[in-house]
Amino acid sequence: AQTVTQSQPEMSVQEAETVTLSCTYDTSESDYYLFWYKQPPSRQMILVIRQEAYKQQNATENRFSVNFQKAAKSFSLKISDSQLGDAAMYFCAYNQGAQKLVFGQGTRLTINP
Amino acid sequence: SQTIHQWPATLVQPVGSPLSLECTVEGTSNPNLYWYRQAAGRGLQLLFYSIGIDQISSEVPQNLSASRPQDRQFILSSKKLLLSDSGFYLCAWGTGQGVPEAFFGQGTRLTVV
Repeated sequence: AQTVTQSQPEMSVQEAETVTLSCTYDTSESDYYLFWYKQPPSRQMILVIRQEAYKQQNATENRFSVNFQKAAKSFSLKISDSQLGDAAMYFCAYNQGAQKLVFGQGTRLTINP
Repeated sequence: SQTIHQWPATLVQPVGSPLSLECTVEGTSNPNLYWYRQAAGRGLQLLFYSIGIDQISSEVPQNLSASRPQDRQFILSSKKLLLSDSGFYLCAWGTGQGVPEAFFGQGTRLTVV
């Protein structure tokens, strides 16, 4: 079965600085999708960014980018120019078919003003 | 545009009582529908998914059941709640047309006392 591991329960960063959240996963599949979701205090899950495994180019969405290392099964999220509104739980997720997602344990990100 | 509604937002129920959580999706037809549960401080776990009316698949054995009486309605139920059923329940939807993301409702916090 696929598994997703986030080894950083908590991270903190100064406002305007850059932070990287780590994620590793395990799968025997060659074609799949990976996601980062954000869960603010409201608890609603918000999609931040997605990566298709067959694409070598790392996905980017404004201040959010990923470092996708397929051979190493690593999928980290980089947040540049951190803002107070970025404070949330961040979950890495693997798509095992349709929208059946396997989630990591989450990383709580704190932004220090 | 598509929207997902989930209610109630908060629920406190005694042990042994029944449960009914409802989720509806607007703005799309024949969506894939999902129920996820999030235990305190943890990631999400997929409970049920449905690709069509009366087509329900269970991912984990549990005290809960799901039904899909209409195309865009998904219901999570229990006949007798257990303390271990407490948690945050999220409904999600996705298309079956090559879009791998799941889009989440705002969730229900269930406390069984």
